[in-house]
Amino acid sequence: SAVISQKPSRDICQRGTSLTIQCQVDSQVTMMFWYRQQPGQSLTLIATANQGSEATYESGFVIDKFPISRPNLTFSTLTVSNMSPEDSSIYLCSVDPIAGGDQYFGAGTRLSVL
Amino acid sequence: DAKTTQPPSMDCAEGRAANLPCNHSTISGNEYVYWYRQIHSQGPQYIIHGLKNNETNEMASLIITEDRKSSTLILPHATLRDTAVYYCIVSGNSGGSNYKLTFGKGTLLTVNP
Repeated sequence: SAVISQKPSRDICQRGTSLTIQCQVDSQVTMMFWYRQQPGQSLTLIATANQGSEATYESGFVIDKFPISRPNLTFSTLTVSNMSPEDSSIYLCSVDPIAGGDQYFGAGTRLSVL
Repeated sequence: DAKTTQPPSMDCAEGRAANLPCNHSTISGNEYVYWYRQIHSQGPQYIIHGLKNNETNEMASLIITEDRKSSTLILPHATLRDTAVYYCIVSGNSGGSNYKLTFGKGTLLTVNP
């Protein structure tokens, strides 16, 4: 298993600004994922962020809007850039410690954009 | 597109077994069946996964049909804290997927006192 801490837990931001979300893991893991959960919806994968390689984005998500850093095996950041109200969502990170599909999730960052 | 079909909601009495069905008729031979749940305002929680044999852990049992086209997650003695959205997901390490999880709408299980 793994324990994941996300910061901030919630934020209210103004349109046009950017927010960087941090994800800290209590152990070294290669595979890390970022998800978005829009209000009342299920989770959608934004990107896979494996240490040592560039993040791989899913269809509909681009690096300019959601730049990701993965400087080491225990940490990653997701930035939501040039925010609009449509970006209001919960953003979650997860890790897959043994690359076997059982992922462990953080509590999420609840973002509201005004 | 989601590869699984689940009922949108189910009810269960506290203390009784909760049986959550999932259809995954297009599952391929190297794909696993995973179950996660999401309690309100929390991140998803891994429950169990299996390939073709039935599996049991401290949280639940997973029954996979012989043709692997459907499965059932069993919570043997449901409690109020088991009220959550339960997601059935198929995934595997093929085509560069790296066990990516595609969440569908899931089943909202409500455990009633």
